[in-house]
Amino acid sequence: GENVEQHPSTLSVQEGDSAVIKCTYSDSASNYFPWYKQELGKGPQLIIDIRSNVGEKKDQRIAVTLNKTAKHFSLHITETQPEDSAVYFCAAPSQAGTALIFGKGTTLSVSS
Amino acid sequence: EPEVTQTPSHQVTQMGQEVILRCVPISNHLYFYWYRQILGQKVEFLVSFYNNEISEKSEIFDDQFSVERPDGSNFTLKIRSTKLEDSAMYFCASSEGWDPRSSPLHFGNGTRLTVT
Repeated sequence: GENVEQHPSTLSVQEGDSAVIKCTYSDSASNYFPWYKQELGKGPQLIIDIRSNVGEKKDQRIAVTLNKTAKHFSLHITETQPEDSAVYFCAAPSQAGTALIFGKGTTLSVSS
Repeated sequence: EPEVTQTPSHQVTQMGQEVILRCVPISNHLYFYWYRQILGQKVEFLVSFYNNEISEKSEIFDDQFSVERPDGSNFTLKIRSTKLEDSAMYFCASSEGWDPRSSPLHFGNGTRLTVT
């Protein structure tokens, strides 16, 4: 089945800096890679996703890049703000494709 | 915006007891999921459910676990004989379709299960 590895586990940045979180996946047939943000006491919320037919997708300060050859994808947050502080999870489809398999999460702390 | 609702927010139970966690998915969604998150660790897939049948389950979802959609609105997770290691946050999720590429998963805020 699919296995998703995520790095780093924690990331601390100053407000205004950029943050990058990286994930690798094992199943070369995987074709969809979402990123979820989990704030304290809440469930994960989808923030951006990318399909395998594109290499990059951007939504305001958030972007995701995908390298299918290397089987890795990354989340980029520019001009970070304190409200970006949360746990971020990458994910990929399960073997049967009916669910998502998550990485271990990255705790992002943005200090002002 | 429609939400996935989970009750209770926190459940404490003794080891060996049965527990039922409840979820009300978004009303027009057809696919339902349970995930769990042990404190500080990753969100782990347990089971997906569609048309009153399990679509997919992980190796965590053993005979101690079962899911049910007892009526038109609720989706439940039952743990028959809880163990200490079942202590975790349990998240319910739902989606309109089976393919997460076109039907994103919407998560509830979770039920924290504490087994003593």
